[in-house]
Amino acid sequence: KAGVTQTPRYLIKTRGQQVTLSCSPISGHRSVSWYQQTPGQGLQFLFEYFSETQRNKGNFPGRFSGRQFSNSRSEMNVSTLELGDSALYLCASSLGGTSNEQFFGPGTRLTVL
Amino acid sequence: DQQVKQNSPSLSVQEGRISILNCDYTNSMFDYFLWYKKYPAEGPTFLISISSIKDKNEDGRFTVFLNKSAKHLSLHIVPSQPGDSAVYFCAAWTSGTYKYIFGTGTRLKVLA
Repeated sequence: KAGVTQTPRYLIKTRGQQVTLSCSPISGHRSVSWYQQTPGQGLQFLFEYFSETQRNKGNFPGRFSGRQFSNSRSEMNVSTLELGDSALYLCASSLGGTSNEQFFGPGTRLTVL
Repeated sequence: DQQVKQNSPSLSVQEGRISILNCDYTNSMFDYFLWYKKYPAEGPTFLISISSIKDKNEDGRFTVFLNKSAKHLSLHIVPSQPGDSAVYFCAAWTSGTYKYIFGTGTRLKVLA
């Protein structure tokens, strides 16, 4: 069974630009969560989607948005990039019911110059 | 407000000895606690979990202990192996929130 895939793996953008990251969950998984990882901050929860509906959202500004498609693939968008948005963005999928085990992708390393 | 805390950013242990990684939390509503291991350039991988109604869960070399009164959990790795060198994150989850809260991680180095 293929794992969680994220594209692209690396991205370099400049301040003010926008970026879209993509995540394909494990087949059969309907829940996708996004996290931002920065040094010293651990994994900060961005949002969670299940069956195309956002069920929870973390404490990030409105510049961070996401969506989920009917095939459970998810995208995350960051508009008006700031230097502080440089981070590793991780996507995780799970069955989404009572299962609480998440499976993570390798992440997208975003660098904002 | 950091609801899940890992106060030790790093830990070094000799191969064959016990590694103990600690995690404290503030929210008594958490239902499950999980430990993840992360190697560089890879996403975290699930290690072991424990329900809030249990006080111990064991899986091979890994054992997680939960002390609800102290709001503290720990991961024991016995015996430690060089391949265990990684960053370990504890995470907590509350039913119905669909949201995992992660600690800041502890970098474990197992010395051969």
